[in-house]
Amino acid sequence: EPEVTQTPSHQVTQMGQEVILRCVPISNHLYFYWYRQILGQKVEFLVSFYNNEISEKSEIFDDQFSVERPDGSNFTLKIRSTKLEDSAMYFCASTRTGAIIQETQYFGPGTRLLVL
Amino acid sequence: GESVGLHLPTLSVQEGDNSIINCAYSNSASDYFIWYKQESGKGPQFIIDIRSNMDKRQGQRVTVLLNKTVKHLSLQIAATQPGDSAVYFCAENSGGSNYKLTFGKGTLLTVNP
Repeated sequence: EPEVTQTPSHQVTQMGQEVILRCVPISNHLYFYWYRQILGQKVEFLVSFYNNEISEKSEIFDDQFSVERPDGSNFTLKIRSTKLEDSAMYFCASTRTGAIIQETQYFGPGTRLLVL
Repeated sequence: GESVGLHLPTLSVQEGDNSIINCAYSNSASDYFIWYKQESGKGPQFIIDIRSNMDKRQGQRVTVLLNKTVKHLSLQIAATQPGDSAVYFCAENSGGSNYKLTFGKGTLLTVNP
């Protein structure tokens, strides 16, 4: 069964450093998302992406964050200057078309980011 | 269930019993609801969904009930198994925002053998 993959599974970085989290959505999917989950808290929406541009972003997704689809398979989340509070599990998700509301979002296994 | 150290509601059941996990939502405009299962260290895994024009939907061993009057959603798991132990999240999609999901707090289900 096709699945969303993410790399790395764990990332440890120093405060102020840049990190890039990588995702490979399901191959025929067109709509991509990033969510994060701070330890013990609910999953929170960060950004949605379609047709090479951001569709929507949350208030969490400030100027330190950016997303990119650098090629036909990868979808990346960049944090330019990490802060301690960026420590969280980051999930990538994708949907096939995004054309209808009732469409399952498939989640990757996540990247656990720890900022020291 | 009651909140524990991580402020997560918990439900503990015996293997073979039925489990009911509840979720309240606040956005009356939400028209699509999903239950996800999250095992430790993994991403949310789709279990079952329901549209707002339905009250009930059944899957394999799982049933979702939607009460729009009181904005309440429940997940029923029949004959709960140890492999069902996980955190269960409800999520809603109001449709007006490019299908982003708003997740609930989650409930930790522990199945005792």
